[in-house]
Amino acid sequence: EVQLVESGGGLIQPGGSLRLSCAASGLTVSSNYLSWVRQAPGKGLEWVSVIYRGGDIHYADSVRGRFTISRDNSKNTLYLQMSSLRAEDTAVYYCAKHSDSGSYYFDFWGQGTLVTVSS
Amino acid sequence: EIVMTQSPATLSVSPGERATLSCRASQSVSSNLAWYQQKPGQAPRLIYGASTRATGIPARFSGSGSGTEFTLTISSLQSEDFAVYYCQQYNNWPPKFGQGTKVEIK
Repeated sequence: EVQLVESGGGLIQPGGSLRLSCAASGLTVSSNYLSWVRQAPGKGLEWVSVIYRGGDIHYADSVRGRFTISRDNSKNTLYLQMSSLRAEDTAVYYCAKHSDSGSYYFDFWGQGTLVTVSS
Repeated sequence: EIVMTQSPATLSVSPGERATLSCRASQSVSSNLAWYQQKPGQAPRLIYGASTRATGIPARFSGSGSGTEFTLTISSLQSEDFAVYYCQQYNNWPPKFGQGTKVEIK
């Protein structure tokens, strides 16, 4: 059974940094396309970043230059390093597995971790 | 960027009735559209992707459409179907979601 478990969220001041983790089981992170998707409180879903099985990486314009996606194959874990955080980054952050074909829809999601950027 | 527009924002339906949710893309996305269900406090759950119902999704859910107009139909609403539904295009970069349709009990 595929499981994705996020952690690392919390309250952080504007301009600060935070690293989110997504521990995977039932799948191998290095063999899958994995994304981060976020959801501001009471709002819709916004794709943030992806890492391909081959290691290629892409970001949404709203986070490019501030966020870094990575993975640790030995720990089977996906990360999102967030820096220069802004109030508008406040959201629940989900890690999500792409379909097995690599298409950009998501067939498994973690439960999410809340990031609150506020002074 | 493609803009995804869902209608209505809220749909009030009685249990056992049919629900029809619409999703429109600002330009053609071919058939590359997914639907998700999200209940309060939970992560989204894939309902439809690649024109196919996801694993474990009951047959009362059906998706249709191509190009710019798409529909998700729930033939006979059950209590567990009351939720927010999102469409998402994955034909063009970046992947974009609609703003959601809340299906509530009438």
